[in-house]
Amino acid sequence: DQQVKQNSPSLSVQEGRISILNCDYTNSMFDYFLWYKKYPAEGPTFLISISSIKDKNEDGRFTVFLNKSAKHLSLHIVPSQPGDSAVYFCAASRIGNEKLTFGTGTRLTIIP
Amino acid sequence: EPEVTQTPSHQVTQMGQEVILRCVPISNHLYFYWYRQILGQKVEFLVSFYNNEISEKSEIFDDQFSVERPDGSNFTLKIRSTKLEDSAMYFCASSEGTSVPDTQYFGPGTRLTVL
Repeated sequence: DQQVKQNSPSLSVQEGRISILNCDYTNSMFDYFLWYKKYPAEGPTFLISISSIKDKNEDGRFTVFLNKSAKHLSLHIVPSQPGDSAVYFCAASRIGNEKLTFGTGTRLTIIP
Repeated sequence: EPEVTQTPSHQVTQMGQEVILRCVPISNHLYFYWYRQILGQKVEFLVSFYNNEISEKSEIFDDQFSVERPDGSNFTLKIRSTKLEDSAMYFCASSEGTSVPDTQYFGPGTRLTVL
């Protein structure tokens, strides 16, 4: 099941710079997208979401961009901080259907 | 801040034994979920539960699995006869169920090891 893909398993970014995490999806029925952050031995923590009626949603240092025609979304973190080092999962669902489909995750390392 | 809690954090069991994983969802939430993550793989949906019944389940959620809300606070996942391949992190999640779209909040997980 490759409906949601995160093609970069890892990413290293200097502290203070912008981190950009990418996610692609194939199922055009998806209309709600979420980003979760996960530390080792913890559950996924909700970060930010976007529905398909928007192309951008911003919350503090986190911005999610959605390009429906390309079936692509990205998470921007600026400025990146050491505490942002974690695995980031992209997830997608259809509004009204509860099942979340997750990507494989991208491990983000912020270099001090 | 309200959070989803899960017990135990780690469960070790012998193949063929029954296990019950427990979750306390966020108190005003109406939808409950179980997901699992086998080591090195994606987080996978197992089941969703609303109004005391299963609303959706995946192919993974076969007759060996069951869910229950035995009281007003707990939500459990039972695996009747565990197999080696059931070894995974099991995450419980809950959502309000009153907004569209709805956001799921996850617990810390239970690591199940089947020997």
